[in-house]
Amino acid sequence: QVQLQQSGPGLVKPSQTLSLTCAISGDSVSSNNAAWNWIRQSPSRGLEWLGRTYYRSKWYNDYAISVKSRITINPDTSKNQFSLHLKSVTPDDTAVYYCARNQADIDYWGQGTLVTVSS
Amino acid sequence: QPVLTQSSSASASLGSSVKLTCTLSSGHSRLTIAWHHQQPGKAPRYLMKLERSGNYNKGSGVPDRFSGSSSGADRYLTISNLQSEDEADYYCETWDSDTWVFGGGTKLTVL
Repeated sequence: QVQLQQSGPGLVKPSQTLSLTCAISGDSVSSNNAAWNWIRQSPSRGLEWLGRTYYRSKWYNDYAISVKSRITINPDTSKNQFSLHLKSVTPDDTAVYYCARNQADIDYWGQGTLVTVSS
Repeated sequence: QPVLTQSSSASASLGSSVKLTCTLSSGHSRLTIAWHHQQPGKAPRYLMKLERSGNYNKGSGVPDRFSGSSSGADRYLTISNLQSEDEADYYCETWDSDTWVFGGGTKLTVL
C-alpha cells in the first residue's frame, strides 16, 4: 500500500519561496512506471495540477504552464521523497497543497497541507 | 488541453442510486478519465479509472457499489445503495500531452 506523508510550513510570506516535501512509502521515487506530482486546491481555482517528476533511465519534469516560471520539483533518492519549491509567491498561491502518485491516472494522494501566503 | 465539465451538485436518498456525469470537451472524447471523491475536510481519494469503452478498474478497497460507464464524451460514475458516507465532492480527472486536468466537482448530498 502506497502512503505519501507531506511536511512543510503552513505560512509563507509574499515574495518568498514555498517549499514542501512528500515522503514515499510502499513505492520508490525512482520507479520506472510511476510519477510524483504536486496538486493544489483552492476555492477560486478548484483542483489544479502543478507538475511532476519521474525517472525513466534519467529524471524528467513536467510543469503546468501557469506556474512553469516559478516551480521546481526535485526527487531525493536517498530519502525516497520529493519536494516542491514555488518561488515569488503571492496571496493567490494560498491553497491546500497535495502530493500524489500517478501511473497513468492519479491513484494515491498525500494528506494535504494548507499553505497561507501572508505577511 | 481537455476541459472536464461536471454539474455542481446532485442529491439522492439514502439507499437509492445516483449517476454522476463528467463530460469531455470537443476533440477529447477518446480520453480515459479517473474518478475521485473527497469527504469534508479530507484529501481526495481515488475511486477508479474509466475508459472510453466503459471498462473501468477500481482502486483498492473501493466498494462494489461504485461502478463506471461511458457514452461518447460522457463518463459516468454510478453509486448504488447510497450510504451517508458517500456524501462528498466527486471529481473527474484526465490527462493529455503530459498535462493533468480536473473537473470542477459535483457536491453529492445524501438525503
